[in-house]
Amino acid sequence: TQLLEQSPQFLSIQEGENLTVYCNSSSVFSSLQWYRQEPGEGPVLLVTVVTGGEVKKLKRLTFQFGDARKDSSLHITAAQPGDTGLYLCAGLIQTGANNLFFGTGTRLTVIP
Amino acid sequence: NAGVTQTPKFQVLKTGQSMTLQCAQDMNHEYMSWYRQDPGMGLRLIHYSVGAGITDQGEVPNGYNVSRSTTEDFPLRLLSAAPSQTSVYFCASSLGLPTGFGNGELFFGEGSRLTVL
Repeated sequence: TQLLEQSPQFLSIQEGENLTVYCNSSSVFSSLQWYRQEPGEGPVLLVTVVTGGEVKKLKRLTFQFGDARKDSSLHITAAQPGDTGLYLCAGLIQTGANNLFFGTGTRLTVIP
Repeated sequence: NAGVTQTPKFQVLKTGQSMTLQCAQDMNHEYMSWYRQDPGMGLRLIHYSVGAGITDQGEVPNGYNVSRSTTEDFPLRLLSAAPSQTSVYFCASSLGLPTGFGNGELFFGEGSRLTVL
């Protein structure tokens, strides 16, 4: 079983539409990160959220950490083709050495 | 600026063969880790190291060995390849323990795609 479940697994939308991707767990995380991964490349960090209820904005992307620090969401406003990619959430659990546990991923396609 | 370099990018093995995936970073990072990425399962941690001479197991360590003789290099060894090890492998590093920001931001290599027949 995966520690972090993301939904939806696949999402195909038209340019200009809004979308939300969810990341859920029954575990509590010290912090939660969102990455974007493009084909043939490694994930690249977009944002880290630390405090329960925290909201961070990165241009058209809005990230929220749940109050209980067990879940997160990523909202994209007016999606563009350049937003296409695999979005991964990752929760940090501090157990001696910090380790990241990744979600199952959401593959987003934005159609021009 | 090379960052994290993985070799090879592609490899095909037969069941039972052994091989080593190489990972090198030129950022003087203490923390290094190996993940495997499978469809619908995200990335799963195989092994990690918090410094030269120190390694530990992650979520899915069986069938893999690692060593960290230098700060720069963190090779991943498959002892006897099995079809279940067909995957894309990513090496990642950070200056400190991974926290996602500041010295703990993780940097990933481009991945190594392994197929075991």
